[in-house]
Amino acid sequence: GAGVSQSPSNKVTEKGKDVELRCDPISGHTALYWYRQSLGQGLEFLIYFQGNSAPDKSGLPSDRFSAERTGGSVSTLTIQRTQQEDSAVYLCASSQYGQLSTDTQYFGPGTRLTVL
Amino acid sequence: KQEVTQIPAALSVPEGENLVLNCSFTDSAIYNLQWFRQDPGKGLTSLLLIQSSQREQTSGRLNASLDKSSGRSTLYIAASQPGDSATYLCAVIGDTGGFKTIFGAGTRLFVKA
Repeated sequence: GAGVSQSPSNKVTEKGKDVELRCDPISGHTALYWYRQSLGQGLEFLIYFQGNSAPDKSGLPSDRFSAERTGGSVSTLTIQRTQQEDSAVYLCASSQYGQLSTDTQYFGPGTRLTVL
Repeated sequence: KQEVTQIPAALSVPEGENLVLNCSFTDSAIYNLQWFRQDPGKGLTSLLLIQSSQREQTSGRLNASLDKSSGRSTLYIAASQPGDSATYLCAVIGDTGGFKTIFGAGTRLFVKA
């Protein structure tokens, strides 16, 4: 079946603008994760959804970042008043059950965000 | 605080060589450890997942081991091929009340034909 998809694949925006990034998980997957991969910083966990609720938001770097998930499917990550340090590749992953010990995470191709 | 370290940071080998990538973590209270590969400009592909109660997992030419007590995992790649060239990342999910996945910085592998 289809894998995790993300849109847009690339986004260039001006400092101070808001952006929305979208993730479509694998159909039927209950858990969804957002990560950020910055140049030289490695992969950084942002937020995790189990169904529509987010039990772990500990990785969100500031209150400019928010995420929601509706219908247990599509998720959007919103960054308000973007800053240049927000430039990164934003990766989304999903897993079938959200079981901590056994779930494999399947990743999308990412959205490359560039803030000018 | 969980920290994940991967050694070496980069590796270049001739085709056909067997190789070992290393991953270490500081907090042994983990649910599982996963190895991924990432190709340039692409997302991550899951290679192997080892549950905390397991010692190793195998898939084709890949074998991953886990020693929780010493905080170490290795990824063994047999008979390397140029198509194995990629960045290999290990990640742990910790048993600390959250679902935070902590990644290592990766090992960049180049297999020369």
